[in-house]
Amino acid sequence: QQPVQSPQAVILREGEDAVINCSSSKALYSVHWYRQKHGEAPVFLMILLKGGEQKGHEKISASFNEKKQQSSLYLTASQLSYSGTYFCGTSGGGADGLTFGKGTHLIIQP
Amino acid sequence: EAQVTQNPRYLITVTGKKLTVTCSQNMNHEYMSWYRQDPGLGLRQIYYSMNVEVTDKGDVPEGYKVSRKEKRNFPLILESPSPNQTSLYFCASNGGRLTRDNEQFFGPGTRLTVL
Repeated sequence: QQPVQSPQAVILREGEDAVINCSSSKALYSVHWYRQKHGEAPVFLMILLKGGEQKGHEKISASFNEKKQQSSLYLTASQLSYSGTYFCGTSGGGADGLTFGKGTHLIIQP
Repeated sequence: EAQVTQNPRYLITVTGKKLTVTCSQNMNHEYMSWYRQDPGLGLRQIYYSMNVEVTDKGDVPEGYKVSRKEKRNFPLILESPSPNQTSLYFCASNGGRLTRDNEQFFGPGTRLTVL
């Protein structure tokens, strides 16, 4: 079952912050975050592992609450280059491969 | 350069004409997967492979076949394509289980149109 991402879309001004949420109905071992520009391959952002992690990647960070089966991606002081569709992919520990959410469309305006 | 390659990048075909999309990785990864991406649905896994000669179904395997005869290659086969298989296809590979700190690398994608 696909994880649920929210919001589906968000429009920001350059410099504003955004939070994208990913929620699963299944127990999770890891959460993977990707950004995709239209028609291109997904680009890896970060992995969060079971154990309640937080990670940072320049102005992009994320948290993982395994008890709530939720992860959130935080975009701080957004830049125009952050525009795209963000996907969370989850691994439940069984068969390999990721189960992806439907994506969150992020538009950054000057 | 470490990469996953796919061919062709674009393909227009007709219903029922067998086709193969090739995928190759140069990172000596054990794990490989195929996904399809459709508007509003995100990426959905078609098949995956954990090693040579070891493959299994993902979430949407109907109408597809795969083989893994060599570690680096994982072709996707559509024996009798239908219009509902029109989609953007991605091949991906990873060097270890995704429950651990292993990144999944994606190919550039193959845009398939079945008329």
